[in-house]
Amino acid sequence: GQQVMQIPQYQHVQEGEDFTTYCNSSTTLSNIQWYKQRPGGHPVFLIQLVKSGEVKKQKRLTFQFGEAKKNSSLHITATQTTDVGTYFCAGRNTNAGKSTFGDGTTLTVKP
Amino acid sequence: SAVISQKPSRDICQRGTSLTIQCQVDSQVTMMFWYRQQPGQSLTLIATANQGSEATYESGFVIDKFPISRPNLTFSTLTVSNMSPEDSSIYLCSARTYGSNQPQHFGDGTRLSIL
Repeated sequence: GQQVMQIPQYQHVQEGEDFTTYCNSSTTLSNIQWYKQRPGGHPVFLIQLVKSGEVKKQKRLTFQFGEAKKNSSLHITATQTTDVGTYFCAGRNTNAGKSTFGDGTTLTVKP
Repeated sequence: SAVISQKPSRDICQRGTSLTIQCQVDSQVTMMFWYRQQPGQSLTLIATANQGSEATYESGFVIDKFPISRPNLTFSTLTVSNMSPEDSSIYLCSARTYGSNQPQHFGDGTRLSIL
């Protein structure tokens, strides 16, 4: 079955440093979503990427979808303490199907 | 975006008992899912709740242990049956509308502890 691998598992940064998490799928995806889960909270949808090579930005967050639609990345510029949490990618390989979640990258930010 | 209400938010139960978790969505959605998440871990899909028919279970999960109902497009329940300490976890309801560009939304989760 489809597998979605996410690295790194943990990332500790100093406030102001950049952060990147990577997501790789064993199969070609129709789309990929990114979620953020704050400690004690539930996953919150951030964005969805659909097109090959797509790049989307949300303030300090940049999301990319690979040309082959099998990998994706989330980059945060100049992290802040409010960025703390676990970031999950979730890939869907058909437009109707269920999403497969990566294991998440937990980001901690030292002020 | 859909707002998902889940209850109870937490419970402490005795082993051998059963608990039913309710999930209510504020709009009609096509797909509803139930996940389990251990603290600090990823999301594990238990099943897809299908309206008016039996849920579709993932490998390792069976209907006898996790019966699911979905009587309409906005409501679903998950029962955790004959609970043991290994069932202690966070159970999350999720929903999305059918279509290529529809994101999934999550309820706040039910934190379940079995003594």
